[in-house]
Amino acid sequence: DVKVTQSSRYLVKRTGEKVFLECVQDMDHENMFWYRQDPGLGLRLIYFSYDVKMKEKGDIPEGYSVSREKKERFSLILESASTNQTSMYLCASSGAGALPREQYFGPGTRLTVT
Amino acid sequence: LAKTTQPISMDSYEGQEVNITCSHNNIATNDYITWYQQFPSQGPRFIIQGYKTKVTNEVASLFIPADRKSSTLSLPRVSLSDTAVYYCLVGDKTNDYKLSFGAGTTVTVRA
Repeated sequence: DVKVTQSSRYLVKRTGEKVFLECVQDMDHENMFWYRQDPGLGLRLIYFSYDVKMKEKGDIPEGYSVSREKKERFSLILESASTNQTSMYLCASSGAGALPREQYFGPGTRLTVT
Repeated sequence: LAKTTQPISMDSYEGQEVNITCSHNNIATNDYITWYQQFPSQGPRFIIQGYKTKVTNEVASLFIPADRKSSTLSLPRVSLSDTAVYYCLVGDKTNDYKLSFGAGTTVTVRA
């Protein structure tokens, strides 16, 4: 089974703090993704990466950056956390040869910024 | 990306069949139709994908008419554990990176 793990299930940070969310997958997948999920808005793509050190902006990249130094790990960075970044953050991965759109998701990190 | 429209919510009872229809009027020739399921406090889970006619797996069936402007996810004999949000997505592999989940359909199964 594909396993996508995220470093924390719950996280509370203060406004202005630098926040790191870590994601690791164990299936040697080429593609990795970060989404945020908010009530009524569904899942929105923040960033994705299709290879080590490669990244592409999604629909809502403002206020976020990412890092992919190793194939299995994709980090989401909030440079200076703000209250409007309080959300559920979901990481996903998919293989290059996978069916279109078959992504495997982690359990999510619920981030609260106070 | 093709825009999809699906009902916001549906209620059902244990043992019934649940059918969720998704409209995608501007689906492109190369687009696949994919459904995900999300339980509370979990990430979405891929459940089925199809291009045309009918696809069936151990979880669900997907019916796609000839014009492909809509599709129907069918959950046979639902149980309480099928209570979840179901998302319909349309697109091809070239825009795999741009998944658009929308709000999905919240299916509530009652005893």
